[in-house]
Amino acid sequence: DGGITQSPKYLFRKEGQNVTLSCEQNLNHDAMYWYRQDPGQGLRLIYYSQIVNDFQKGDIAEGYSVSREKKESFPLTVTSAQKNPTAFYLCASSIARNNEQFFGPGTRLTVL
Amino acid sequence: KQEVTQIPAALSVPEGENLVLNCSFTDSAIYNLQWFRQDPGKGLTSLLLIQSSQREQTSGRLNASLDKSSGRSTLYIAASQPGDSATYLCAVHYGGSQGNLIFGKGTKLSVKP
Repeated sequence: DGGITQSPKYLFRKEGQNVTLSCEQNLNHDAMYWYRQDPGQGLRLIYYSQIVNDFQKGDIAEGYSVSREKKESFPLTVTSAQKNPTAFYLCASSIARNNEQFFGPGTRLTVL
Repeated sequence: KQEVTQIPAALSVPEGENLVLNCSFTDSAIYNLQWFRQDPGKGLTSLLLIQSSQREQTSGRLNASLDKSSGRSTLYIAASQPGDSATYLCAVHYGGSQGNLIFGKGTKLSVKP
């Protein structure tokens, strides 16, 4: 089955901790994205990558970091510098920039 | 600023009714537009993609139209069913260097049996 997987489904973070959210795709897509979803708001772009070993900041990148060492994988680290990290995080991919995007099942992060 | 607006924010209809969800965007120079469905606590499922050169796309009971000049798209759902209950999101590609989607806040649909 082709698709996008995210893990874990639920994640709890203590104050001052860094946590990493996993995103893997087997669709052979070049482009990958991380969005954040908060209640009552539209999805907002955190980071995106158009190709391996290259990534760019989105609209709300402060307090987050990413890597793209493999085409299939685009992990997101939420650092202690992110002041309000409690949210639903969604990973997406597309064949190339501006093509139809497909989303993973999401990770819900809660700060304790 | 490029913004996407969805009205209404919530909609409740009886089963079997045909309904229309609305999406408007401030900048008409779009590359394409996607409609998604999101169930509570789940990821997004892509329903339809309309390219800027197209006027409409159909998939089963769903029909999406696009009017670039007026900055509007509609999602028509025929013969609604309780299983259609979900939040429907409209998102616009502007073809920029980021390649990201600009999302509306969604319309929460409830179809009553």
